[in-house]
Amino acid sequence: DIQMTQSPSSLSASVGDRVTITCRASQSIRNHLNWYQQKPGKGPLILIVGASALQSGVPSRFSGSESGTDFTLTISSLQHEDSATYYCQQSYGTPYTFGQGTKLEIK
Amino acid sequence: EVQLVESGGGLVQPGGSLRLSCAASGFTFSNYWMHWVRQAPGKGLVWVSRIKSDGITTTYADSVKGRFTISRDNAKNTVYLQMNSLRAEDTALYYCARDGDYAGYSRFDPWGQGTLVTVSS
Repeated sequence: DIQMTQSPSSLSASVGDRVTITCRASQSIRNHLNWYQQKPGKGPLILIVGASALQSGVPSRFSGSESGTDFTLTISSLQHEDSATYYCQQSYGTPYTFGQGTKLEIK
Repeated sequence: EVQLVESGGGLVQPGGSLRLSCAASGFTFSNYWMHWVRQAPGKGLVWVSRIKSDGITTTYADSVKGRFTISRDNAKNTVYLQMNSLRAEDTALYYCARDGDYAGYSRFDPWGQGTLVTVSS
């Protein structure tokens, strides 16, 4: 199985800060990497597909990038509504696997 | 509006069975792969199973293989997860999700609100 190692597990930042979450795959997944946002009591919401393609309706402050087997989700200017848990997921092959999640708190 | 609504969760004893349903609306259900993903209380997301649009091709996580069966009824726009020989470690919120192809990439979008399965004596 492909292991996805996500970091940090939690972070606290202020409104307006630039925030970065990383995800490392245990083997090549090309760019088959998705990012999701999950708020308490809700199902996850797709943010980014194919490592960098921002999905419809997602604010432009979210962006994704890749370098080999390392992937990054960046929030350029943090807003209150970004408080959530973020997950990466590889869609390269089954079993599809997720990172452990990053809980983002707004100070 | 594209919507997925799960049902069928509940409290079941170890070794018992449960069938989850996921009713889809707002899109042509028969065109899409569908998935089940679970989340234990306070934990992360774990992929469980998927089924192809025609209902024939299925895939399972090793942890549920031989115990869970995914199926679908395209006439009823519903995907099912039959869960047998349930264990305490199967306790989780179970989500269904549509596999919405995006330029050749698989993506889970949207997700339902989940249905809670608790395995306990």
